[in-house]
Amino acid sequence: SYEVTQPPSVSVSPGQTASITCSGYKLENKYVSWYQQQPGQSPVLIMYQDDKRPSGIPERFSASNSGNTATLTISGTQAMDEADYYCQAWDSNLGYVFGTGTKVTVL
Amino acid sequence: QVQLQQSGPGLVKPSQTLSLTCAISGDSVSSSSATWNWIRQSTSGGLEWLGRTYYRSKWYNEYAISVKGRITVNPDTSKNQFSLQLNSVTPEDTAVYYCARAPCGGDCYDFDYWGQGALVTVSS
Repeated sequence: SYEVTQPPSVSVSPGQTASITCSGYKLENKYVSWYQQQPGQSPVLIMYQDDKRPSGIPERFSASNSGNTATLTISGTQAMDEADYYCQAWDSNLGYVFGTGTKVTVL
Repeated sequence: QVQLQQSGPGLVKPSQTLSLTCAISGDSVSSSSATWNWIRQSTSGGLEWLGRTYYRSKWYNEYAISVKGRITVNPDTSKNQFSLQLNSVTPEDTAVYYCARAPCGGDCYDFDYWGQGALVTVSS
């Protein structure tokens, strides 16, 4: 089966840049989406099709996908960005595969 | 604005059937530009796609290999909703279950609207 891994945790100071990686074999050949999940709430789509941002999502969120790694970047991180983040890959053969999740802590 | 409202029991006995419903507002279960999905999140936090239903001149259902044979996802056009049935549950099926819409411009790559989630506990 196809596995997509993320670091369990990332810490960042307010105003600094946080980078969350998502690793999978030839991930660049698949579309990657990113979700933010606040405690006790449903996931929210914050990036889709590798690098597109849904309306209403702040511009400080950006993403890329190259080689075996997709990256979500939060620029000028705010306290409200403290949450769990999940990547998700789609492949016509594999279907939907979620990453293991990363807890972002804003110190 | 699409809204998904989930309902169903929160406690199911082992070997019985888990049943959940997701009512759709702001879109149609028969939409030709969306699929309607069930996803669960284990107590350890991992997300797992379970299955989907969608209409493209006829109804299609597709399921994850991990639950195939135990799962049924059905549309209900009269109530504009869809359902999940998971048979022969064990404690390992204890999770928060979400319904979600995947918008489709050709293929359907992500999930843009989610239900509120429902914790289902499998226990005697």
